Amino acid sequence: DTGVSQDPRHKITKRGQNVTFRCDPISEHNRLYWYRQTLGQGPEFLTYFQNEAQLEKSRLLSDRFSAERPKGSFSTLEIQRTEQGDSAMYLCASSHPSGGRGYTFGSGTRLTVV
Amino acid sequence: KNEVEQSPQNLTAQEGEFITINCSYSVGISALHWLQQHPGGGIVSLFMLSSGKKKHGRLIATINIQEKHSSLHITASHPRDSAVYICAVQYSGGGADGLTFGKGTHLIIQP
Repeated sequence: DTGVSQDPRHKITKRGQNVTFRCDPISEHNRLYWYRQTLGQGPEFLTYFQNEAQLEKSRLLSDRFSAERPKGSFSTLEIQRTEQGDSAMYLCASSHPSGGRGYTFGSGTRLTVV
Repeated sequence: KNEVEQSPQNLTAQEGEFITINCSYSVGISALHWLQQHPGGGIVSLFMLSSGKKKHGRLIATINIQEKHSSLHITASHPRDSAVYICAVQYSGGGADGLTFGKGTHLIIQP
């Protein structure tokens, strides 16, 4: 297993367009997290899945954002009608069911809305 | 409000110096993580600890649960240690099992 994979690495889109990001976690990790990081700040929690169930969503996640993990494996994060304020690094992380082995992060998807 | 504070925000040092980065938090936690982030965004987990001290190579992490404080030390620093170091905590109790992050410490080691 090569770790947590995120695709694409970079995305430039025009304001108003929809974008979708994908995260492939480590296969035996049943927990998956999405975070958003803006320049000069630490990551902020967006949402969390345990298997296919989305258990928590941050207030940062407006109606334009939706996340899925249909089969409890990979996850997608979609942003509809993108705004310039959505420009950020979107990070995915996964963790083992026991939680005791820490988190593994992907390399992130950098979104630029022009 | 649950907050994670790191200091310093920026640190520039000469190669070989002993580096200390501090992290404090406000409420009880189940674990604290030290993470490293290089330009380009990828985050690497360095340590996860809930008590005492851990060492890996030139890196040492300590935590004082009573004082709600942790430190990350780098011995014999090297230019390749230049990165952003982020402290993150898992809070005790219910809710999301995710992490709350500090803003990071931007470390530059000059040759």
